[in-house]
Amino acid sequence: AQSVAQPEDQVNVAEGNPLTVKCTYSVSGNPYLFWYVQYPNRGLQFLLKYITGDNLVKGSYGFEAEFNKSQTSFHLKKPSALVSDSALYFCAVRGVMDSSYKLIFGSGTRLLVRP
Amino acid sequence: DAGVTQSPTHLIKTRGQQVTLRCSPKSGHDTVSWYQQALGQGPQFIFQYYEEEERQRGNFPDRFSGHQFPNYSSELNVNALLLGDSALYLCASSYRGYDEKLFFGSGTQLSVL
Repeated sequence: AQSVAQPEDQVNVAEGNPLTVKCTYSVSGNPYLFWYVQYPNRGLQFLLKYITGDNLVKGSYGFEAEFNKSQTSFHLKKPSALVSDSALYFCAVRGVMDSSYKLIFGSGTRLLVRP
Repeated sequence: DAGVTQSPTHLIKTRGQQVTLRCSPKSGHDTVSWYQQALGQGPQFIFQYYEEEERQRGNFPDRFSGHQFPNYSSELNVNALLLGDSALYLCASSYRGYDEKLFFGSGTQLSVL
């Protein structure tokens, strides 16, 4: 069965410091991987995706994520955090082989960037 | 260009009642997926509609049903509401169901008392 794990409920970082939000996945075959962000009282917004190719994916608002097949991970990163990055972040996966249209989301990680 | 719009934004119902939630997809999109997001959890897939038919369904009971109209808008119906149905219901649209980039609405917050 497909699954996504986000091991940290919350990540705290000071503004200007680098940030990492962790994600590991389990899927049969190759994965499609995604990061979405949710601000209060809003729906989810797409940040970036990995389909194939370069393991380092660049997305919106200066975020990037690194696909590591051997570790089945897709960690979200940003070199310098902003207070405005504070939000709820979701990792999601879709298996390429199972002809499924649904995304499997992790439980989310709350990012808090302090001034 | 309007994004995904959902109505109503908030809804309060009592156990046993029925509810209908509505979604208009982003312009140019023809596929609508519905997700349930319980408090403190990630969204869970309910079903997807494409060409006015349910194309895929998640692990939800038959009390959850839907419809897609010729203009691609969609409704989510929930019958015999339970307390556990209280959640944020999110609609997401895409083109032909390829989920490389879903566009989400702001959701409908359903409270069942």
